[in-house]
Amino acid sequence: NAGVTQTPKFRILKIGQSMTLQCTQDMNHNYMYWYRQDPGMGLKLIYYSVGAGITDKGEVPNGYNVSRSTTEDFPLRLLSAAPSQTSVYFCASSYLGRTEAFFGQGTRLTVV
Amino acid sequence: AQKVTQAQTEISVVEKEDVTLDCVYETRDTTYYLFWYKQPPSGELVFLIRRNSFDEQNEISGRYSWNFQKSTSSFNFTITASQVVDSAVYFCALGRRPNTGNQFYFGTGTSLTVIP
Repeated sequence: NAGVTQTPKFRILKIGQSMTLQCTQDMNHNYMYWYRQDPGMGLKLIYYSVGAGITDKGEVPNGYNVSRSTTEDFPLRLLSAAPSQTSVYFCASSYLGRTEAFFGQGTRLTVV
Repeated sequence: AQKVTQAQTEISVVEKEDVTLDCVYETRDTTYYLFWYKQPPSGELVFLIRRNSFDEQNEISGRYSWNFQKSTSSFNFTITASQVVDSAVYFCALGRRPNTGNQFYFGTGTSLTVIP
């Protein structure tokens, strides 16, 4: 099984550009999450989803948008890139909170 | 509200020393789950262990052991005879029961450096 797949692995954006980070999981997990990890810092929750068609904001949602049209996919959209969005982005999924979350490999995004 | 605190930001030990990483959590849930993850320098997040709130048995896996104490809301992680490969950032996390919205709360991580 592939688990959680994120694309791209690296990206450089110019200020004001938009982009979509893709995330797909093949484990039929209900829950999916997007986190960002700033250098030397912990994980901050951007958005999460409890199932197809249901999303909710996390701790740091400003400047981002998500959708969950299928169980498998949970793309994260950056609306207008800012230097403060330079970070490593992780997508994760879990069956429920009582089971561990599986993480993608991360996307390293730099905004210049 | 749910919260996970890892008060140790950075720890350095000399190889073969034992080291304990602290994790304190807050929750009003009666059923919850605790996790430890390892993030090596390569950046991926690796799941290490899960404990249920109703199972306070300590666990040992090779050089790793975990001490769960509900009375002090702590879930500490000990590495015995540390090795350079243990150098990583370690995250503690709290998981909630279903239908409670966000399922995971992560601590800020402890960066462990093992000096050869």
